[in-house]
Amino acid sequence: ETGVTQTPRHLVMGMTNKKSLKCEQHLGHNAMYWYKQSAKKPLELMFVYNFKEQTENNSVPSRFSPECPNSSHLFLHLHTLQPEDSALYLCASSPLLSTFSGNTIYFGEGSWLTVV
Amino acid sequence: TQLLEQSPQFLSIQEGENLTVYCNSSSVFSSLQWYRQEPGEGPVLLVTVVTGGEVKKLKRLTFQFGDARKDSSLHITAAQPGDTGLYLCARGNNAGNMLTFGGGTRLMVKP
Repeated sequence: ETGVTQTPRHLVMGMTNKKSLKCEQHLGHNAMYWYKQSAKKPLELMFVYNFKEQTENNSVPSRFSPECPNSSHLFLHLHTLQPEDSALYLCASSPLLSTFSGNTIYFGEGSWLTVV
Repeated sequence: TQLLEQSPQFLSIQEGENLTVYCNSSSVFSSLQWYRQEPGEGPVLLVTVVTGGEVKKLKRLTFQFGDARKDSSLHITAAQPGDTGLYLCARGNNAGNMLTFGGGTRLMVKP
């Protein structure tokens, strides 16, 4: 239990569906992240939020739409996805927006997404 | 693009053996982290190294940061089945606020 909870853990959706992934952190952190992990590529950063403001969009297609209503919650809205979007989507949080020692990033267990 | 190359990609060994996995880049790291990811879970931070030549130990795991801060290694002594997982290295960007991950080394330790 890392303090970062993701739901659902597994999701199967058609290419025309609209669904959302949810992430909640109980750690009092100020930075939250979405990462994509697929079988053939390294873990890829998608979005970064710092104090609810989006600070990074790593050239992610618009069919992925993030939302951060407060520092504890992060959503990833999914619409008209493609089969190649099937992957493990990981949410993470950290106290600060920094990679330096002492600012540990905590990952959730991930949401397995299959697009059919 | 500042790529991180990890090797080997896959490693299968018997319990009790020693192993070393590597993380390399053509550019200097501001900091480097090692994570372990077990099946069905997210990555968990093992260590952060920031100083060239730094060596850190975590029980049977020894982490080394290269003198030039372009490479790092993770050595596991007397591997156990519980060490099985995906080992990822990650580097911070120059601003120190973003992580780039390597492709990982998938380790299986057989009893």
